[in-house]
Amino acid sequence: AQSVTQLDSQVPVFEEAPVELRCNYSSSVSVYLFWYVQYPNQGLQLLLKYLSGSTLVKGINGFEAEFNKSQTSFHLRKPSVHISDTAEYFCAVTFLQGAQKLVFGQGTRLTINP
Amino acid sequence: DTGVSQNPRHKITKRGQNVTFRCDPISEHNRLYWYRQTLGQGPEFLTYFQNEAQLEKSRLLSDRFSAERPKGSFSTLEIQRTEQGDSAMYLCASTEGNTEAFFGQGTRLTVV
Repeated sequence: AQSVTQLDSQVPVFEEAPVELRCNYSSSVSVYLFWYVQYPNQGLQLLLKYLSGSTLVKGINGFEAEFNKSQTSFHLRKPSVHISDTAEYFCAVTFLQGAQKLVFGQGTRLTINP
Repeated sequence: DTGVSQNPRHKITKRGQNVTFRCDPISEHNRLYWYRQTLGQGPEFLTYFQNEAQLEKSRLLSDRFSAERPKGSFSTLEIQRTEQGDSAMYLCASTEGNTEAFFGQGTRLTVV
C-alpha cells in the first residue's frame, strides 16, 4: 500500500532552537518527495522537493530535508527556528504511476514559543 | 502570471443547495488537480485533468460531485445537494509535469 505518515501531530519548540519534523512513506514504486507549509486559511507553499540526485535538499526559509531510501524517510530540519515558522507542515509524496497525484501526510503543527 | 487562482475564497451555503467553485491554473500547465482538506487533516485527492480530459477520480468524489475543465483551461467543481459533511477547504493545483504542484489559496466551504 502507498501511504505517507507524519509521526508527530504537534511539535512545540522554543525560538532559535533546532527542529526536526518526521515523515515516512510506504511505496512499491519510485517516488518524488515534497514538504509544503500552510499558514492559516491559506493554500500550500512548497518548501522543498526531492526528485533525484543528492539526498540532502535545501529549501526556502532555511529548511532542509534528507531523503533516506533504506528507511523510506524524508525528515525536515531547520537549525534555528523563528516565530514566523509557526504553521502547519505537510509531507507529500508523488508515487510515479497513474495520475501521479500528491499523497499527503496528516500534517505537523509547528508552534514556536518565545 | 499570478499563479493559481481560486474563486470564491469563502462560500457559506445552506444544506441541500448547489455550489460551484472555479480554478484558474497557471496558463501553460496541462495538469490540474482538485483536493479536499478537512480540519486537522492533510489534503486528499479528488480528481485530475490532463488538458480537458478527466483521467482519474477518487472514490471520495460521490455522484453529487462533478468537475469539468472545458478547453483545458479553467476548471469548475460543482457539488449538488450539499451536506454538512461537505464542509472543507477545496484546493486546486496545477503542474506542467509532476515535479512541482502549484496550489491556489483554496475555497473554504461551510454548509449550514
